[in-house]
Amino acid sequence: GENVEQHPSTLSVQEGDSAVIKCTYSDSASNYFPWYKQELGKRPQLIIDIRSNVGEKKDQRIAVTLNKTAKHFSLHITETQPEDSAVYFCAASVQGGSEKLVFGKGTKLTVNP
Amino acid sequence: EPEVTQTPSHQVTQMGQEVILRCVPISNHLYFYWYRQILGQKVEFLVSFYNNEISEKSEIFDDQFSVERPDGSNFTLKIRSTKLEDSAMYFCAAQRDRQETQYFGPGTRLLVL
Repeated sequence: GENVEQHPSTLSVQEGDSAVIKCTYSDSASNYFPWYKQELGKRPQLIIDIRSNVGEKKDQRIAVTLNKTAKHFSLHITETQPEDSAVYFCAASVQGGSEKLVFGKGTKLTVNP
Repeated sequence: EPEVTQTPSHQVTQMGQEVILRCVPISNHLYFYWYRQILGQKVEFLVSFYNNEISEKSEIFDDQFSVERPDGSNFTLKIRSTKLEDSAMYFCAAQRDRQETQYFGPGTRLLVL
């Protein structure tokens, strides 16, 4: 089945720096790749997503890139702020009876003021 | 962001007891999912539900679990004879259709003693 690997597991940056989180997936049929931000004790919240017919997508300080050939996708956060501190999860959809999501193990991002 | 609601927010139960977790998905969404997240770990898919029946389930979703949509709106996850290892955060998610975003509810934190 689908396996999603996410790196790094923890990331600490200074405010204003950029942060990059990378994920790889195994199922070449996956075609939807969302990124969720989860604050402590809260629900995962979608911050950006990308479909396989697009190589890059940007929303203000957040961007996602997808390389289908290499089966990896990345989250880029520029001009980081302390409120960006959270756990970020990547996921890949698995086509079947539904579109279940397989998640990576998460990256704990800390933005130091 | 569309709102998925879940009740209760917290549930403490004794091992061997039955629990029912409830979700009120977004009204025009067709696909519903249950995921769980053991403390400090990644989000894991349990089951998906479409057209009033299970469309897909994971290895975790064994005979102690069941889902139903008893009144056409609420979507429930029942865990019979809970075990200590069932302690986790349980998230419901709703998806309007395939190729659409999955929105997560706030979760139910289940603690089995």
